Amino acid sequence: AQTVTQSQPEMSVQEAETVTLSCTYDTSESDYYLFWYKQPPSRQMILVIRQEAYKQQNATENRFSVNFQKAAKSFSLKISDSQLGDAAMYFCAYRSSQGGSEKLVFGKGMKLTVNP
Amino acid sequence: DGGITQSPKYLFRKEGQNVTLSCEQNLNHDAMYWYRQDPGQGLRLIYYSQIVNDFQKGDIAEGYSVSREKKESFPLTVTSAQKNPTAFYLCASSPLSTRHGYTFGSGTRLTVV
Repeated sequence: AQTVTQSQPEMSVQEAETVTLSCTYDTSESDYYLFWYKQPPSRQMILVIRQEAYKQQNATENRFSVNFQKAAKSFSLKISDSQLGDAAMYFCAYRSSQGGSEKLVFGKGMKLTVNP
Repeated sequence: DGGITQSPKYLFRKEGQNVTLSCEQNLNHDAMYWYRQDPGQGLRLIYYSQIVNDFQKGDIAEGYSVSREKKESFPLTVTSAQKNPTAFYLCASSPLSTRHGYTFGSGTRLTVV
C-alpha cells in the first residue's frame, strides 16, 4: 500500500521569505498523481497544486511550486514571498492512476506559521 | 456555484445516540468520501462510494454507516458503537478520473456531551 510521509510536524517562516515543505511517499507504481492541500484555521481544505508523475516539469501556481523528484519519491512544496494568509496546515497526498485505487492517501500534515 | 455542502457545522451527541451528518454535492461527481480528522492523525478514511447504491469501508469504518441513494448525497451516521466520536468530519467528492483531486466540504465538528 502507498504511504505518504511528512516528517516535519511544524515549521515557521518570516513574512516575505521562502519556505519549503517536505513530503516523501512510497509506491511501486510508475504513474500517479501528487497533491498539496492547504487547511487554514477555517478548516476548509483547499487544493494548492497538483503534479502528474509522468511529467518531468515541476508544477507551479503563482507563489507555489513543487520540486518533484520521482526517483527519490520526494514531492516538496515551495512557498515564495510568504504571506500571513499562508499560515495553515498543509497536507501532501498521493493518488494512484490505476482503476480501483482512486482514493487519496494523505500525509499527517504540517503546521506552517508565518511570522510578521 | 457548484460545490459540496456539509451540515450541520457543529453537532453535539449524547452518549448512546446515533447522529447523521449530511453531505450534498452539485458537482456531478461520481465518487464521494468521508474522512475523520483528529489532531496529529491527519485524515483517515471512513467510507467511500464510487456509484449510487454502492460503498466500501475505509480504514476506520467501525461504528459508522453510510448510504448512497442519490448521486448528490452521501450521509454519514455515527452510531452508538463508535466509542470515541468526537472529531472533525470532512466529506469530499471527485470525478472517477484519478487525475483529479478532491473537492472538500467545510466540515462538521462532532462533540459528545
